[in-house]
Amino acid sequence: ETGVTQTPRHLVMGMTNKKSLKCEQHLGHNAMYWYKQSAKKPLELMFVYNFKEQTENNSVPSRFSPECPNSSHLFLHLHTLQPEDSALYLCASSQDFGTTGNIQYFGAGTRLSVL
Amino acid sequence: AQKITQTQPGMFVQEKEAVTLDCTYDTSDPSYGLFWYKQPSSGEMIFLIYQGSYDQQNATEGRYSLNFQKARKSANLVISASQLGDSAMYFCAMTASGTYKYIFGTGTRLKVLA
Repeated sequence: ETGVTQTPRHLVMGMTNKKSLKCEQHLGHNAMYWYKQSAKKPLELMFVYNFKEQTENNSVPSRFSPECPNSSHLFLHLHTLQPEDSALYLCASSQDFGTTGNIQYFGAGTRLSVL
Repeated sequence: AQKITQTQPGMFVQEKEAVTLDCTYDTSDPSYGLFWYKQPSSGEMIFLIYQGSYDQQNATEGRYSLNFQKARKSANLVISASQLGDSAMYFCAMTASGTYKYIFGTGTRLKVLA
Protein backbone atom coordinates (compact mmCIF):
# COMPACT_ATOMS: atom_id res chain seq x y z
CA GLU A 1 0.00 0.00 0.00
CA THR A 2 1.34 3.42 -0.90
CA GLY A 3 2.39 5.81 1.87
CA VAL A 4 -0.16 8.56 1.15
CA THR A 5 -3.51 7.67 -0.39
CA GLN A 6 -5.96 10.19 -1.81
CA THR A 7 -9.56 9.58 -2.82
CA PRO A 8 -11.23 10.16 -5.14
CA ARG A 9 -8.64 10.43 -7.91
CA HIS A 10 -11.01 12.39 -10.11
CA LEU A 11 -13.99 14.56 -9.19
CA VAL A 12 -16.41 16.59 -11.26
CA MET A 13 -18.78 18.85 -9.37
CA GLY A 14 -21.16 21.68 -10.00
CA MET A 15 -20.80 25.01 -8.29
CA THR A 16 -23.63 24.27 -5.86
CA ASN A 17 -22.43 20.81 -4.84
CA LYS A 18 -20.77 19.80 -1.60
CA LYS A 19 -18.04 17.19 -1.75
CA SER A 20 -15.05 16.06 0.30
CA LEU A 21 -11.53 14.99 -0.57
CA LYS A 22 -9.89 12.39 1.63
CA CYS A 23 -6.24 11.79 2.41
CA GLU A 24 -4.77 8.99 4.51
CA GLN A 25 -1.13 8.44 5.36
CA HIS A 26 0.37 5.15 6.55
CA LEU A 27 3.81 6.52 7.42
CA GLY A 28 3.31 7.40 11.08
CA HIS A 29 3.85 11.08 10.35
CA ASN A 30 2.64 13.96 12.49
CA ALA A 31 2.20 16.70 9.91
CA MET A 32 -0.17 16.79 6.94
CA TYR A 33 -0.66 19.31 4.15
CA TRP A 34 -3.06 20.32 1.40
CA TYR A 35 -1.68 21.87 -1.80
CA LYS A 36 -3.36 23.20 -4.92
CA GLN A 37 -1.64 22.74 -8.28
CA SER A 38 -3.05 24.79 -11.15
CA ALA A 39 -1.76 24.73 -14.70
CA LYS A 40 1.41 26.76 -15.17
CA LYS A 41 1.56 27.92 -11.55
CA PRO A 42 3.78 26.76 -8.71
CA LEU A 43 2.26 24.52 -6.09
CA GLU A 44 0.32 26.57 -3.58
CA LEU A 45 0.25 25.53 0.05
CA MET A 46 -3.28 25.72 1.41
CA PHE A 47 -3.26 24.24 4.91
CA VAL A 48 -0.85 22.65 7.36
CA TYR A 49 -1.77 20.43 10.29
CA ASN A 50 0.78 19.45 12.90
CA PHE A 51 -0.33 16.91 15.53
CA LYS A 52 -3.94 17.46 14.38
CA GLU A 53 -3.74 21.21 14.99
CA GLN A 54 -3.98 23.64 12.09
CA THR A 55 -0.81 25.69 11.99
CA GLU A 56 -1.14 27.36 8.60
CA ASN A 57 -3.98 28.72 6.53
CA ASN A 58 -2.59 30.49 3.49
CA SER A 59 -5.50 32.90 2.99
CA VAL A 60 -7.64 30.16 1.52
CA PRO A 61 -11.28 31.06 0.75
CA SER A 62 -13.81 29.73 3.22
CA ARG A 63 -15.40 27.53 0.54
CA PHE A 64 -12.48 25.19 1.33
CA SER A 65 -12.78 23.72 4.81
CA PRO A 66 -10.11 21.32 6.14
CA GLU A 67 -10.58 18.72 8.82
CA CYS A 68 -7.96 16.60 10.56
CA PRO A 69 -9.56 14.12 12.97
CA ASN A 70 -6.24 12.37 13.70
CA SER A 71 -2.65 12.41 12.48
CA SER A 72 -3.38 9.81 9.79
CA HIS A 73 -6.40 11.39 8.12
CA LEU A 74 -7.01 14.71 6.45
CA PHE A 75 -10.12 15.92 4.66
CA LEU A 76 -10.86 18.90 2.47
CA HIS A 77 -14.55 19.79 2.40
CA LEU A 78 -15.66 21.70 -0.66
CA HIS A 79 -18.81 23.79 -1.16
CA THR A 80 -19.99 26.40 -3.64
CA LEU A 81 -16.75 26.23 -5.59
CA GLN A 82 -15.89 28.37 -8.60
CA PRO A 83 -14.61 27.21 -11.99
CA GLU A 84 -11.18 28.69 -11.15
CA ASP A 85 -10.94 26.15 -8.32
CA SER A 86 -10.47 23.40 -10.90
CA ALA A 87 -7.00 21.99 -10.23
CA LEU A 88 -5.03 19.04 -8.91
CA TYR A 89 -5.26 18.90 -5.13
CA LEU A 90 -2.34 17.19 -3.51
CA CYS A 91 -2.03 15.91 0.02
CA ALA A 92 1.34 15.40 1.70
CA SER A 93 2.68 14.28 5.05
CA SER A 94 5.98 14.63 6.88
CA GLN A 95 7.43 13.36 10.11
CA ASP A 96 7.01 16.76 11.67
CA PHE A 97 6.73 20.43 10.80
CA GLY A 98 9.24 23.04 11.77
CA THR A 99 12.60 21.86 10.51
CA THR A 100 14.34 22.75 7.28
CA GLY A 101 15.02 19.09 6.56
CA ASN A 102 11.51 17.76 6.81
CA ILE A 103 10.75 15.67 3.73
CA GLN A 104 7.18 15.70 2.51
CA TYR A 105 5.66 12.63 0.91
CA PHE A 106 2.80 13.22 -1.49
CA GLY A 107 -0.25 11.35 -2.63
CA ALA A 108 -1.28 11.02 -6.27
CA GLY A 109 -3.76 13.87 -5.98
CA THR A 110 -7.41 14.48 -6.76
CA ARG A 111 -8.06 16.11 -10.11
CA LEU A 112 -11.04 18.39 -9.56
CA SER A 113 -13.18 19.93 -12.26
CA VAL A 114 -15.78 22.51 -11.30
CA LEU A 115 -18.49 23.07 -13.90
CA ALA B 1 11.28 36.12 1.38
CA GLN B 2 12.35 32.87 -0.22
CA LYS B 3 12.22 32.28 -3.95
CA ILE B 4 12.94 29.36 -6.27
CA THR B 5 13.61 29.82 -9.97
CA GLN B 6 13.62 27.12 -12.62
CA THR B 7 14.41 28.71 -15.97
CA GLN B 8 14.05 25.64 -18.22
CA PRO B 9 10.39 24.97 -18.99
CA GLY B 10 11.32 21.94 -21.11
CA MET B 11 14.35 19.74 -21.73
CA PHE B 12 15.16 16.82 -24.02
CA VAL B 13 17.81 14.19 -23.38
CA GLN B 14 18.81 11.07 -25.22
CA GLU B 15 18.37 7.78 -23.39
CA LYS B 16 21.49 6.77 -21.38
CA GLU B 17 22.84 10.33 -21.45
CA ALA B 18 23.19 12.58 -18.39
CA VAL B 19 21.07 15.71 -17.98
CA THR B 20 21.23 18.71 -15.65
CA LEU B 21 18.10 20.53 -14.52
CA ASP B 22 18.72 24.03 -13.22
CA CYS B 23 17.47 25.54 -9.99
CA THR B 24 18.45 28.80 -8.33
CA TYR B 25 17.16 29.99 -5.00
CA ASP B 26 17.10 33.11 -2.95
CA THR B 27 16.95 33.42 0.82
CA SER B 28 18.63 35.49 3.48
CA ASP B 29 18.25 32.70 6.02
CA PRO B 30 21.51 30.79 6.74
CA SER B 31 19.63 27.57 7.49
CA TYR B 32 17.59 26.10 4.67
CA GLY B 33 16.80 22.88 2.84
CA LEU B 34 16.65 22.16 -0.87
CA PHE B 35 14.58 19.37 -2.44
CA TRP B 36 13.87 17.87 -5.82
CA TYR B 37 10.65 16.10 -6.72
CA LYS B 38 9.54 14.20 -9.82
CA GLN B 39 5.94 14.35 -11.01
CA PRO B 40 4.96 11.82 -13.69
CA SER B 41 1.76 12.29 -15.66
CA SER B 42 -0.05 10.25 -13.00
CA GLY B 43 0.19 13.26 -10.69
CA GLU B 44 2.06 11.94 -7.67
CA MET B 45 4.99 14.05 -6.48
CA ILE B 46 7.91 11.69 -5.81
CA PHE B 47 10.72 12.82 -3.51
CA LEU B 48 14.13 12.41 -5.12
CA ILE B 49 16.85 14.12 -3.12
CA TYR B 50 17.55 16.58 -0.28
CA GLN B 51 20.42 18.95 0.46
CA GLY B 52 20.84 20.90 3.68
CA SER B 53 22.49 24.31 3.61
CA TYR B 54 25.19 23.19 6.04
CA ASP B 55 25.95 19.92 4.28
CA GLN B 56 29.55 19.89 3.12
CA GLN B 57 29.09 17.33 0.38
CA ASN B 58 26.70 17.21 -2.53
CA ALA B 59 23.78 14.84 -1.97
CA THR B 60 23.49 11.70 -4.09
CA GLU B 61 20.73 9.11 -4.38
CA GLY B 62 21.35 6.43 -6.96
CA ARG B 63 21.30 8.08 -10.39
CA TYR B 64 20.38 11.46 -8.90
CA SER B 65 22.88 13.95 -7.57
CA LEU B 66 22.45 17.52 -6.46
CA ASN B 67 25.12 19.98 -7.59
CA PHE B 68 25.03 22.44 -4.68
CA GLN B 69 26.88 25.71 -5.26
CA LYS B 70 26.15 27.83 -2.22
CA ALA B 71 27.87 31.00 -3.34
CA ARG B 72 25.92 30.96 -6.59
CA LYS B 73 22.71 29.92 -4.80
CA SER B 74 22.17 27.08 -7.19
CA ALA B 75 20.99 23.52 -6.58
CA ASN B 76 20.98 21.77 -9.92
CA LEU B 77 19.75 18.19 -10.28
CA VAL B 78 21.90 15.83 -12.31
CA ILE B 79 20.35 12.64 -13.62
CA SER B 80 22.89 10.16 -14.93
CA ALA B 81 22.15 7.43 -17.49
CA SER B 82 18.66 8.72 -18.35
CA GLN B 83 15.88 6.21 -18.78
CA LEU B 84 12.57 6.51 -20.62
CA GLY B 85 10.81 6.38 -17.25
CA ASP B 86 12.56 9.60 -16.23
CA SER B 87 10.24 11.56 -18.53
CA ALA B 88 8.24 13.75 -16.13
CA MET B 89 7.98 17.19 -14.56
CA TYR B 90 10.73 18.00 -12.09
CA PHE B 91 10.26 20.50 -9.28
CA CYS B 92 12.83 22.18 -7.12
CA ALA B 93 11.71 23.33 -3.66
CA MET B 94 13.16 24.90 -0.56
CA THR B 95 12.41 25.48 3.09
CA ALA B 96 13.98 28.01 5.41
CA SER B 97 14.08 28.20 9.16
CA GLY B 98 11.88 31.27 9.17
CA THR B 99 8.76 29.55 7.89
CA TYR B 100 9.56 25.84 7.25
CA LYS B 101 7.00 25.89 4.43
CA TYR B 102 7.98 24.51 1.05
CA ILE B 103 8.41 27.05 -1.74
CA PHE B 104 8.25 25.37 -5.16
CA GLY B 105 9.60 26.41 -8.53
CA THR B 106 7.50 26.28 -11.69
CA GLY B 107 9.07 23.02 -12.81
CA THR B 108 10.96 21.63 -15.81
CA ARG B 109 9.40 19.08 -18.13
CA LEU B 110 11.97 16.45 -19.11
CA LYS B 111 11.49 14.21 -22.12
CA VAL B 112 13.83 11.26 -22.58
CA LEU B 113 14.21 10.19 -26.19
CA ALA B 114 14.77 6.58 -27.25
